[in-house]
Amino acid sequence: DAMVIQNPRYQVTQFGKPVTLSCSQTLNHNVMYWYQQKSSQAPKLLFHYYDKDFNNEADTPDNFQSRRPNTSFCFLDIRSPGLGDAAMYLCATSRDPGGLNTEAFFGQGTRLTVV
Amino acid sequence: RKEVEQDPGPFNVPEGATVAFNCTYSNSASQSFFWYRQDCRKEPKLLMSVYSSGNEDGRFTAQLNRASQYISLLIRDSKLSDSATYLCVVNQRFQKLVFGTGTRLLVSP
Repeated sequence: DAMVIQNPRYQVTQFGKPVTLSCSQTLNHNVMYWYQQKSSQAPKLLFHYYDKDFNNEADTPDNFQSRRPNTSFCFLDIRSPGLGDAAMYLCATSRDPGGLNTEAFFGQGTRLTVV
Repeated sequence: RKEVEQDPGPFNVPEGATVAFNCTYSNSASQSFFWYRQDCRKEPKLLMSVYSSGNEDGRFTAQLNRASQYISLLIRDSKLSDSATYLCVVNQRFQKLVFGTGTRLLVSP
C-alpha cells in the first residue's frame, strides 16, 4: 500500500493560473518535504516542515508556498506558474531524526506541465 | 561549492563489472547519509543507508569517511537492472535532506 500519496499524478495548468498539488501520508512522520525535479537534474529542496515549523530554502521563489494543516497532509501552492516551473514535484516524509533511520519516503510525484 | 557533489557520469560498464561512485558533502554537521536509486521518470527509492562503520547489502557496499566528508557506493557484479541514476543524500541539521547531483549508470550486455 502506498504510504506517501501525491495527487494528481499529472497536472496541466495555464501560464499564470494558480495550482495546488497535494500530498498525504499514512506514516505519521514528523517531517514533510517538497522537492522540484527538472529533467536530468537532481531533486531540489523547496521547503520542509518539521511538525508545524516551516523551513523555506533561501533560493525558493516567492511564487511557491506551502501549507500543512495537519500531520497527514501537505500542499504545494504555485501562485503564478511560469513555463520554467514545469517539473516533477516530489513529496517526501521522514521520521524525527532523533533516531538513526531518517531516510525519506517519496510519493510517486506530480508531473506539472505549464501551457 | 554545492552542498552535495557527485560525478554525473554516465558510467558505462559491461555486465559483471564492479563500479564505484563517490560523493562529497560540504556541511560537516551532516548527520545521516543515504544512497537512493532513481529510475527514469520515477520517484527516488532508498537503496541503502550509510553507516560510519560501512555496510553491505548483497552486491552493494557503502562507506562513509567523516574526516574527508566523503561517501562511496560500490556495486559488484553489475546487472542490466542496475542501470539507473544513483543519488547521494545527506541529512543536514534541522532535518534538511539534500540530494547530490546524481550519477547515471548504464550497464550493457
